Amino acid sequence: NAGVTQTPKFRVLKTGQSMTLLCAQDMNHEYMYWYRQDPGMGLRLIHYSVGEGTTAKGEVPDGYNVSRLKKQNFLLGLESAAPSQTSVYFCASKDSHSPLHFGNGTRLTVT
Amino acid sequence: DQQVKQNSPSLSVQEGRISILNCDYTNSMFDYFLWYKKYPAEGPTFLISISSIKDKNEDGRFTVFLNKSAKHLSLHIVPSQPGDSAVYFCAASGGLTGNTGKLIFGQGTTLQVKP
Repeated sequence: NAGVTQTPKFRVLKTGQSMTLLCAQDMNHEYMYWYRQDPGMGLRLIHYSVGEGTTAKGEVPDGYNVSRLKKQNFLLGLESAAPSQTSVYFCASKDSHSPLHFGNGTRLTVT
Repeated sequence: DQQVKQNSPSLSVQEGRISILNCDYTNSMFDYFLWYKKYPAEGPTFLISISSIKDKNEDGRFTVFLNKSAKHLSLHIVPSQPGDSAVYFCAASGGLTGNTGKLIFGQGTTLQVKP
């Protein structure tokens, strides 16, 4: 039982490049989330999903897109990376009764 | 504007003593509060939570206190152990969101427990 798995663990992008962060959970959770963590700001919600095929905007959605084609996977896309998107990205999942279970994060640097 | 604030960036305590981490919030619609613990290079892990209908919740060495009138909560760790050294995040949700996972996090407090 791996829990929440994020790939890649590290990535360096140049401004304007695109990439997709992958999140997979094996706990059959309905809800999935993408957060970013920046120094001095805690974690902020980017997008979330309340079930397969659904997505919704969180607190800081601009510059990101998401997809939830399968229940176990939640993808976060950056179409044109900017230095302001340098951050640590955490994926999380939960069911209706549990707290959030987080992955170990993806550290992204945009130069 | 930061709706959840942890005003102490760091805290250092001696092993065996009490650690008290504090958190303030501004949104009176918050009705569910959580504490997460984070080690370097790992994701946050859930520690303890409290609903606004309670003023205290205890789980082993960890107790969370909620003062709704002051919009303040605190996490007490007794006794503190070196393995407790980590970053602690306070988080809140509420209004229509309930416990949906749409959390507002504080900035975190780094706890160091010295042997």
